[in-house]
Amino acid sequence: DAGITQSPRYKITETGRQVTLMCHQTWSHSYMFWYRQDLGHGLRLIYYSAAADITDKGEVPDGYVVSRSKTENFPLTLESATRSQTSVYFCASSESAGRTQYFGPGTRLLVL
Amino acid sequence: AQSVTQLGSHVSVSEGALVLLRCNYSSSVPPYLFWYVQYPNQGLQLLLKYTSAATLVKGINGFEAEFKKSETSFHLTKPSAHMSDAAEYFCAVSGSYGQNFVFGPGTRLSVLP
Repeated sequence: DAGITQSPRYKITETGRQVTLMCHQTWSHSYMFWYRQDLGHGLRLIYYSAAADITDKGEVPDGYVVSRSKTENFPLTLESATRSQTSVYFCASSESAGRTQYFGPGTRLLVL
Repeated sequence: AQSVTQLGSHVSVSEGALVLLRCNYSSSVPPYLFWYVQYPNQGLQLLLKYTSAATLVKGINGFEAEFKKSETSFHLTKPSAHMSDAAEYFCAVSGSYGQNFVFGPGTRLSVLP
């Protein structure tokens, strides 16, 4: 029972490069979420998805792109990474809106 | 719309002492309330949740929280702190009609020997 996994766990990249963070869940949950966690800002929602092919912006979507072609996967792409996108990124999933969210272990991203 | 405040970004207690982490919320609809714990370098783990059943909710690791509608509070308590309780704790609220989560800013709990 893998639950929700994220890859890679750690990533170092350079300014301007494209980076994709992967998220996979085995529960067939409808909803999936991407958050970033930064000191002093807590958890901030980047994007979320209510179902395959349905995505919507969260609090801080600029500079990020998401897709959801399959229910179980929700990749997050930084099209041109910037230093301000250095952060810890968490993926989460839930059965429906407002219900318990289950979190992945996170991806630590460093943009040089 | 929902919002959450957590009083105290950092709380220190001695081992064996009572743990009290405060959470107040606002919600325009009956809320669902959650407490999550985050250990260093890990993701968030659900401690307990309130979904309109019993107002006193028991969670994992000896934690419990009480929903008080009149005070719009959902404070987290544990009678006796253990060193392993040192972590970041997040309160969250969602709407029972399906509104999305809102997380509080978090409270870092330190447990002193």
